[in-house]
Amino acid sequence: DQQVKQNSPSLSVQEGRISILNCDYTNSMFDYFLWYKKYPAEGPTFLISISSIKDKNEDGRFTVFLNKSAKHLSLHIVPSQPGDSAVYFCAASAEGYGKLTFGQGTILTVHP
Amino acid sequence: GAVVSQHPSRVICKSGTSVKIECRSLDFQATTMFWYRQFPKQSLMLMATSNEGSKATYEQGVEKDKFLINHASLTLSTLTVTSAHPEDSSFYICSASGASYGYTFGSGTRLTVV
Repeated sequence: DQQVKQNSPSLSVQEGRISILNCDYTNSMFDYFLWYKKYPAEGPTFLISISSIKDKNEDGRFTVFLNKSAKHLSLHIVPSQPGDSAVYFCAASAEGYGKLTFGQGTILTVHP
Repeated sequence: GAVVSQHPSRVICKSGTSVKIECRSLDFQATTMFWYRQFPKQSLMLMATSNEGSKATYEQGVEKDKFLINHASLTLSTLTVTSAHPEDSSFYICSASGASYGYTFGSGTRLTVV
């Protein structure tokens, strides 16, 4: 049972444009959501998070939107840079800093 | 910021031997540590959750006698893969959390069993 889903395995974007990565979840108990960037053979790097009491959180070029009624969140990266090319995982927790459930990941490629 | 050190980064072992992976929180006390494994091109799958001084809680399908987790102190957790087999070859990642610190991940360990 995949409780966190990233339905797009890959996304290709031109440098300077917006990258939008999507994530859906099924567990209504999830109350904390995070986005991570990951390179092969490395641990995930935290990007941005959002609590279920908010619908938007912004940090520099990264913005996360949460739509609780749709059980959907998205990560916007504006403007996209070639250095953003990596695998992006969304993750969710049901109990504050409890265990994380990860999506399958989306490979983002930003072309110069 | 919070730093989690994971060692070794790569290990190759013979089938039937045991391998220990260490995860240390360097600048904070990790009350909870999580161990994940990731197969190529797949998601990070939680294996177990450990709280300092307590027995680890394993996810369904994870053999607790094969993947021994010890969290004896607030800064160190270890994962021992016992009697390793080629199918245990994977990328193992730890994550630590503590008061005022969210999830901090280690850099991962690539285990290859030959």
